[in-house]
Amino acid sequence: QKEVEQNSGPLSVPEGAIASLNCTYSDRGSQSFFWYRQYSGKSPELIMFIYSNGDKEDGRFTAQLNKASQYVSLLIRDSQPSDSATYLCAVWRLRNTGNQFYFGTGTSLTVIP
Amino acid sequence: NAGVTQTPKFQVLKTGQSMTLQCAQDMNHNSMYWYRQDPGMGLRLIYYSASEGTTDKGEVPNGYNVSRLNKREFSLRLESAAPSQTSVYFCASSDWTSEAFFGQGTRLTVV
Repeated sequence: QKEVEQNSGPLSVPEGAIASLNCTYSDRGSQSFFWYRQYSGKSPELIMFIYSNGDKEDGRFTAQLNKASQYVSLLIRDSQPSDSATYLCAVWRLRNTGNQFYFGTGTSLTVIP
Repeated sequence: NAGVTQTPKFQVLKTGQSMTLQCAQDMNHNSMYWYRQDPGMGLRLIYYSASEGTTDKGEVPNGYNVSRLNKREFSLRLESAAPSQTSVYFCASSDWTSEAFFGQGTRLTVV
């Protein structure tokens, strides 16, 4: 079983719509959760992180965490063409050899003008 | 503040050649990582270093070696390159309470 699972998409939404990206993780010991955005040919950049159950909002972005269901999501409101990218879900876990980040395979999002 | 710097950005190797990918960070982070990214496979951890002087294998370590030269620098070596190692390589660093910060990536082709 993979540490982090994401639907690879592609996901297409019209401009102005809400894009919903989902992620599940396998280890209940995972402690922190991150959403990265990656444009084609570029390196991943952090959008949001969340540690606690519930919602966390930052501008047009809302991260949601449900530890009981081992589920993380990212909502993008008022989607813009510039949001077109691959979105990577990552979980952080502290192991006895140090902290590790585990990444999903990413969901490709296209926002259609 | 440069963050995480990787060199080179592009490299073409012949099968069997060796090379070292360099990575340096200026954020005083303890942990450093090497990932490879292949289409449909996401980011897969090759090796990581939790602190200066320690290194550990990740998910796909075969064919690679690493050196944590000091707190700033973490290098990845391919001793005998194979076409299966054609990929985009990312170095990253983090501290205990921070997210992972990524370098610009190295696009490696092995022919």
